[in-house]
Amino acid sequence: AQKVTQAQTEISVVEKEDVTLDCVYETRDTTYYLFWYKQPPSGELVFLIRRNSFDEQNEISGRYSWNFQKSTSSFNFTITASQVVDSAVYFCALSEGVGGSQGNLIFGKGTKLSVKP
Amino acid sequence: ETGVTQTPRHLVMGMTNKKSLKCEQHLGHNAMYWYKQSAKKPLELMFVYSLEERVENNSVPSRFSPECPNSSHLFLHLHTLQPEDSALYLCASSLRTGAPYEQYFGPGTRLTVT
Repeated sequence: AQKVTQAQTEISVVEKEDVTLDCVYETRDTTYYLFWYKQPPSGELVFLIRRNSFDEQNEISGRYSWNFQKSTSSFNFTITASQVVDSAVYFCALSEGVGGSQGNLIFGKGTKLSVKP
Repeated sequence: ETGVTQTPRHLVMGMTNKKSLKCEQHLGHNAMYWYKQSAKKPLELMFVYSLEERVENNSVPSRFSPECPNSSHLFLHLHTLQPEDSALYLCASSLRTGAPYEQYFGPGTRLTVT
């Protein structure tokens, strides 16, 4: 069965602190995709990143970085030098297989990040 | 207009009312989705459309009725809703259904059923 667990419900940090959001997934497929989305107070989910199961290279984009480890079924997200504008709910999601309805997104419950000035 | 737009942004309706939510995507995508987001629950996929054909209906009550007249527009018709249907309803689109295509979301309609 597919499942995405984001154990941290809420995190509060002070601006400029680094913060890591955890994501653990379960899947029986060997081909799958992992995603992170950001949902600011405006409501719209913003796509941040997609990784496939065959690419375990970590990725960095500005202050954002992602650590994908198949051995622990984790896809963690780190924000370096956090800013107030990073305050949002962050969702990790999983999509199995290739094409078709079996590839629908399965979302975790989200982690609410509050960055205080 | 860019991305995915939804109207209205906020809606308050009584249990006997009939209303519709509208979604429009300007991305040239072929797949569209409706999600429900309630407090303290994961995002729930409601309906999936691919090239205007419904390909998935996740046991959604019949008081929710989707319509996809073309690949750019998606509607959710609402009638005789219950208070527990109050939620944020999000529309999304992707180039095609399923993996590996990321979905792009609209800002949502905040629905309150009184």
